[in-house]
Amino acid sequence: QKEVEQDPGPLSVPEGAIVSLNCTYSNSAFQYFMWYRQYSRKGPELLMYTYSSGNKEDGRFTAQVDKSSKYISLFIRDSQPSDSATYLCAMSEAQAGTALIFGKGTTLSVSS
Amino acid sequence: DGGITQSPKYLFRKEGQNVTLSCEQNLNHDAMYWYRQDPGQGLRLIYYSQIVNDFQKGDIAEGYSVSREKKESFPLTVTSAQKNPTAFYLCASSIDPGARGYTFGSGTRLTVV
Repeated sequence: QKEVEQDPGPLSVPEGAIVSLNCTYSNSAFQYFMWYRQYSRKGPELLMYTYSSGNKEDGRFTAQVDKSSKYISLFIRDSQPSDSATYLCAMSEAQAGTALIFGKGTTLSVSS
Repeated sequence: DGGITQSPKYLFRKEGQNVTLSCEQNLNHDAMYWYRQDPGQGLRLIYYSQIVNDFQKGDIAEGYSVSREKKESFPLTVTSAQKNPTAFYLCASSIDPGARGYTFGSGTRLTVV
């Protein structure tokens, strides 16, 4: 079993749709959870960060962590064509001294 | 502006050659990382360094080598021992990855010709 599982998609939605992206993980020691957005042929950029369980909202984006189920989600409201990208989840056990573990990424396409 | 710079953007390697990918950061980050990205494989860790003159192997270190002589620089050498080097290589840096995540460079696409 992979440490972090993420459905690669592709996921295609019309403009304005609500998008749900998800990752599951097996390591119960993970405490720090992140979502990165990567446009084609570019480096990933940090989109959302959450510590432990709970929700975090930033504009059209909401990140959720359910540690009891080992499940994290990223919701995008009112999706736009500019949201078309690959979304990578990442997680870590510790604040420092270690490397992030990434999911394989989900490719999202938003059509106008 | 602070950031992390990878060069070159595109690199072509002949069979049997060693090539070096450059990664420089002016963010004053202690930790630096190299990842390889292949279609459908996600990001796989090659090497990382948390301090000057020290580095650790990641999941796929075979056929690669690194050095960390300066805080700002973490070059990656792809040696002839790496049998399938064609990929997109990403360098990243961080103060504390768990709390603040990584800052990534724009990547180097390496192709074997």
